Amino acid sequence: GAGVSQSPSNKVTEKGKDVELRCDPISGHTALYWYRQSLGQGLEFLIYFQGNSAPDKSGLPSDRFSAERTGGSVSTLTIQRTQQEDSAVYLCASSPLQLGAGNEQYFGPGTRLTVT
Amino acid sequence: ELKVEQNPLFLSMQEGKNYTIYCNYSTTSDRLYWYRQDPGKSLESLFVLLSNGAVKQEGRLMASLDTKARLSTLHITAAVHDLSATYFCAVGTSGSARQLTFGSGTQLTVLP
Repeated sequence: GAGVSQSPSNKVTEKGKDVELRCDPISGHTALYWYRQSLGQGLEFLIYFQGNSAPDKSGLPSDRFSAERTGGSVSTLTIQRTQQEDSAVYLCASSPLQLGAGNEQYFGPGTRLTVT
Repeated sequence: ELKVEQNPLFLSMQEGKNYTIYCNYSTTSDRLYWYRQDPGKSLESLFVLLSNGAVKQEGRLMASLDTKARLSTLHITAAVHDLSATYFCAVGTSGSARQLTFGSGTQLTVLP
């Protein structure tokens, strides 16, 4: 079946502009995660959605970052007034249920964001 | 705060050799994952370890978990070039379904 998809695959933007990154999770997966991966680094958690519960935003680095998930499916990560340090690969993952019993996260291909 | 440390960060090995990557974590966890990432690609799930003493094997890779020592290992047997990639361990917080905390990754290069 279809995996997690993300768009765009690459985005180049000028400093100060807003960007929107999209994630389509695997159908039926109730949990959705956003991570950021800077060059040569591990993954940094940003935000987590689970069903209709309030999202866990504890990883968002600043108030310029926000995310929403409409209808429990597609999610959009928005970065306002982008800065050069926002340049990274943004990865989305989905999981079928709350983690446990092997319900690992399945990752999308990522969006490479470059802020010039 | 959960901290996850992997070592080594960089590993260059000859084909046919064996080696082990280590993943230490700082607080109690009920699940540990190993992922593989090829350059420019996303993460591919390799193993899910959920209990103390769990051992899983797939091809030339074997992962184990010691929850008492807060340690997981990824053992590579008779390495081949196709195993060249970056390997991440990721640890979940006990009782929470939230984010995973990732190690920094081990960049493995298998030389012919």
